[in-house]
Amino acid sequence: KNQVEQSPQSLIILEGKNCTLQCNYTVSPFSNLRWYKQDTGRGPVSLTIMTFSENTKSNGRYTATLDADTKQSSLHITASQLSDSASYICVVSANIGSQGNLIFGKGTKLSVKP
Amino acid sequence: NAGVTQTPKFRVLKTGQSMTLLCAQDMNHEYMYWYRQDPGMGLRLIHYSVGEGTTAKGEVPDGYNVSRLKKQNFLLGLESAAPSQTSVYFCASGLFGPAYNSPLHFGNGTRLTVT
Repeated sequence: KNQVEQSPQSLIILEGKNCTLQCNYTVSPFSNLRWYKQDTGRGPVSLTIMTFSENTKSNGRYTATLDADTKQSSLHITASQLSDSASYICVVSANIGSQGNLIFGKGTKLSVKP
Repeated sequence: NAGVTQTPKFRVLKTGQSMTLLCAQDMNHEYMYWYRQDPGMGLRLIHYSVGEGTTAKGEVPDGYNVSRLKKQNFLLGLESAAPSQTSVYFCASGLFGPAYNSPLHFGNGTRLTVT
């Protein structure tokens, strides 16, 4: 069964610290892996999209890594800010059917405290 | 650019009532989706459309209908609301399908409560 598991479920860090969120998936055949940021009461916003051949991709203070062999991805946030408080959702695209299929993780809720 | 706009933002329905959720996008995207988000669960696909005049069922389509008469609009209907349909509904659009590196653009959701 195609699944996306994220850890931890929630995380509290102090402003200015770094953190790493994890995503493990059992999706086949794999097309791409996406990270989204969802602020409370808002829709998800795309951070990165990575294909099979990409190991690392950055978007400002956000850096995503992908290990397609172990089917793991991580999202590293550097020098956290209060505005980073949000849920971070890992999404994997399965190359199934003519249109593909997106499998969503349940998200990691990050709280950044002053 | 407004991006993806959803109306209404909030709604309370009684069991058995009907309503339509409207999604509009101004990015000329072909693909549009309706998802629901429930506590402790990932987003689940209700219905989707790959172009004007087309619709298809997603993972949890029962109790919902959709229409895409115009490319920029995607409507989600609840014919007879049930408490199990209490959820936050998100519309999304994309230039290409999920197999391509095309990000989804989401609206800010409709919070629906069915009593």
